[in-house]
Amino acid sequence: AQRVTQPEKLLSVFKGAPVELKCNYSYSGSPELFWYVQYSRQRLQLLLRHISRESIKGFTADLNKGETSFHLKKPFAQEEDSAMYYCAPPYLGSNYKLTFGKGTLLTVNP
Amino acid sequence: DVKVTQSSRYLVKRTGEKVFLECVQDMDHENMFWYRQDPGLGLRLIYFSYDVKMKEKGDIPEGYSVSREKKERFSLILESASTNQTSMYLCASSHYGYTFGSGTRLTVV
Repeated sequence: AQRVTQPEKLLSVFKGAPVELKCNYSYSGSPELFWYVQYSRQRLQLLLRHISRESIKGFTADLNKGETSFHLKKPFAQEEDSAMYYCAPPYLGSNYKLTFGKGTLLTVNP
Repeated sequence: DVKVTQSSRYLVKRTGEKVFLECVQDMDHENMFWYRQDPGLGLRLIYFSYDVKMKEKGDIPEGYSVSREKKERFSLILESASTNQTSMYLCASSHYGYTFGSGTRLTVV
């Protein structure tokens, strides 16, 4: 399976601080990458798709093919951003089957 | 809104029981998936289906089987439940990006 690494299990920042959640993947070519988010007691939901290049809830992610990274960033964290975040590239050879990182739990402190 | 509905939010079963987890989606998606979610391990793919009666194993299919008799329904079956199958089970439907169900927390005692 495609390997995806989210090096931080836990990340804690203060409100208003910049936040970056790291994601590295092993893949050659131009994968379609996703970030998913799970807020407390809610279902996992799509946060961001690489191909759409949208900024959702103030988050952005740039695909760096040289570093094979797809880090998620937000310039000013909010308390409501506290959640579990998963990076999800596709399985090798598949456009629709995703593999998920182990997740980063982000806590934004007041 | 795409809806993916998992029939049970919580289940408690005994070791050795046959367990059925049901998932229904209402957007005519061809692709459906079953994952299990465990702390520190993230989501791991158990099985997926790309059409009616079509299925493929994921990364951890041992001890599980699936059924997809109708496009909208994808069932996960634990043939003989064991305690190491205690987990949160997530169903997803996909056209371009996933929509997840709310999950079934299964406890095997």
